[in-house]
Amino acid sequence: LAKTTQPISMDSYEGQEVNITCSHNNIATNDYITWYQQFPSQGPRFIIQGYKTKVTNEVASLFIPADRKSSTLSLPRVSLSDTAVYYCLVVRGNTNAGKSTFGDGTTLTVKP
Amino acid sequence: NAGVTQTPKFQVLKTGQSMTLQCAQDMNHNSMYWYRQDPGMGLRLIYYSASEGTTDKGEVPNGYNVSRLNKREFSLRLESAAPSQTSVYFCASKLNTGPLYGYTFGSGTRLTVV
Repeated sequence: LAKTTQPISMDSYEGQEVNITCSHNNIATNDYITWYQQFPSQGPRFIIQGYKTKVTNEVASLFIPADRKSSTLSLPRVSLSDTAVYYCLVVRGNTNAGKSTFGDGTTLTVKP
Repeated sequence: NAGVTQTPKFQVLKTGQSMTLQCAQDMNHNSMYWYRQDPGMGLRLIYYSASEGTTDKGEVPNGYNVSRLNKREFSLRLESAAPSQTSVYFCASKLNTGPLYGYTFGSGTRLTVV
């Protein structure tokens, strides 16, 4: 599976839009990109998933360019409660694929 | 509440002791996973079970064994604990192993080996 690279940390202020980019240069044709959020002392929580172009849900948007070698998680108008670690994950697109590798994630700190 | 339940939540072991971490899910998911997370690090896959009756190694399987007891339960065993196994262990499940289903994680077991 494609190895992912993310910034180690980011700072933001309440009310700002935050964009976290993930690089996955060796992504395969049938791989999907998935993002998770993890708060301290909790397991990761699924945020959003996409294959190409743009996906939006009630929590975030995911932008994937045509070459799919990177993706950007966009969090609109962050609040203090969005302070967490965000993981980009590449998931193989066939039903027999079990392994998915989490990188070290991006620690987002939202300041007042 | 539906989800993934892990027991125990905390455990302290002496070097050489053995123990089994329990995990159960009530969402009728087919695949289950064990990850470990060291301080300040991401999650590393230890073992997974794509379906009842099958198990496979992940990135860091050495020192661990697993049992998929039935569709609901997936246990992780440390036969002879070592300080390097001090970590937080997360169990997760998915409806299937493909990309269209996200992981549901348990709240973790914090293990310290002294």
